Amino acid sequence: AQSVTQPDIHITVSEGASLELRCNYSYGATPYLFWYVQSPGQGLQLLLKYFSGDTLVQGIKGFEAEFKRSQSSFNLRKPSVHWSDAAEYFCAVGPYNTDKLIFGTGTRLQVFP
Amino acid sequence: DGGITQSPKYLFRKEGQNVTLSCEQNLNHDAMYWYRQDPGQGLRLIYYSQIVNDFQKGDIAEGYSVSREKKESFPLTVTSAQKNPTAFYLCASSTKDRGLRGEQFFGPGTRLTVL
Repeated sequence: AQSVTQPDIHITVSEGASLELRCNYSYGATPYLFWYVQSPGQGLQLLLKYFSGDTLVQGIKGFEAEFKRSQSSFNLRKPSVHWSDAAEYFCAVGPYNTDKLIFGTGTRLQVFP
Repeated sequence: DGGITQSPKYLFRKEGQNVTLSCEQNLNHDAMYWYRQDPGQGLRLIYYSQIVNDFQKGDIAEGYSVSREKKESFPLTVTSAQKNPTAFYLCASSTKDRGLRGEQFFGPGTRLTVL
């Protein structure tokens, strides 16, 4: 069955530190992979996506993610976190069964000054 | 600017009342989705529609109903049969256009509180 796992519910980092958010998936075909960010009380905004080709993808706000087929992972990284990056981050995989996406349960990022 | 609008942003209702949440998009997308979000549970799919006049149940459709009479509109009704309706509701849309396959665009959400 298709699924997405985000093992870290809550991560706290200091401003300026590096960040890696983990995402593992189970999918029966070549996946399309997405990272979304959600500020409190807001909708989701797409950070980046992987469809095919180069396994290291660049996104908005200085984020990048690397697709590793052998590990079924699509981890999100940022070299230096800013206080404004504090939000909830969702990994998603799809499309399956007519364009539906499967979302992970999210990782809440807290940034200390 | 193209996008998705949801209204109202906050909604309060008494227990036992039906309530309808609005979702409109001007992206010319064929598919639209409704999600429910509760703390610690991520996004759960309520209903989705791939084309006008057609829709399918998602993972948690009980107590909800939808309609898709126009391409740009996909309203969600939370009925009195929904046992725990207080939540944050998100609407999304997507297109099958090459290069955007699978990507969903989200509205700002509606927070429903049932008193």
